[in-house]
Amino acid sequence: AQSVTQLGSHVSVSEGALVLLRCNYSSSVPPYLFWYVQYPNQGLQLLLKYTTGATLVKGINGFEAEFKKSETSFHLTKPSAHMSDAAEYFCAVTRNQGGKLIFGQGTELSVKP
Amino acid sequence: KAGVTQTPRYLIKTRGQQVTLSCSPISGHRSVSWYQQTPGQGLQFLFEYFSETQRNKGNFPGRFSGRQFSNSRSEMNVSTLELGDSALYLCASSEPEVYGYTFGSGTRLTVV
Repeated sequence: AQSVTQLGSHVSVSEGALVLLRCNYSSSVPPYLFWYVQYPNQGLQLLLKYTTGATLVKGINGFEAEFKKSETSFHLTKPSAHMSDAAEYFCAVTRNQGGKLIFGQGTELSVKP
Repeated sequence: KAGVTQTPRYLIKTRGQQVTLSCSPISGHRSVSWYQQTPGQGLQFLFEYFSETQRNKGNFPGRFSGRQFSNSRSEMNVSTLELGDSALYLCASSEPEVYGYTFGSGTRLTVV
């Protein structure tokens, strides 16, 4: 069975600092990986996804993630945090198109001025 | 394109009642899936419909059901509501041959 682990339920960074949110997955077959962001009282917004091809994926709002098969990781980074990045971030995995998304428990990102 | 529309946004129901939530996917999207989000359990998959057929089902009791209409709109129904059903219910739709889903803003259900 697939699972997703997000290390750190809360991450706090200063404005302008590097953002690093960690995600590890377990999957018996090559997965498809996603990062979503959720603002208070909102649904989930897709930041980026990895399906095939280049392992460094660029997304919206300056975020990017690198798929590392050997480490079964898909960590999310942003070089410089902005106050508007404060939200909850979810890593998710699926094995096939239309398959159910398996989500991590989420990481709440706080950005200090 | 209009996004995924979920109605209503907020709902308060009493234990034992039933409730129906609605989801209109993005035009052209044939796949609709539903998720339950709670503080304790996180995001959990309920079911997925594709061309009016349930294609995947999560591990929820039979009180949770859904359907999809010919225009791809979907509804989910929860019967005999329990306090633990209080949650944010999210609907998501997907284009054919595209991985990943676009989510709606959700329906916040409170059971009292």
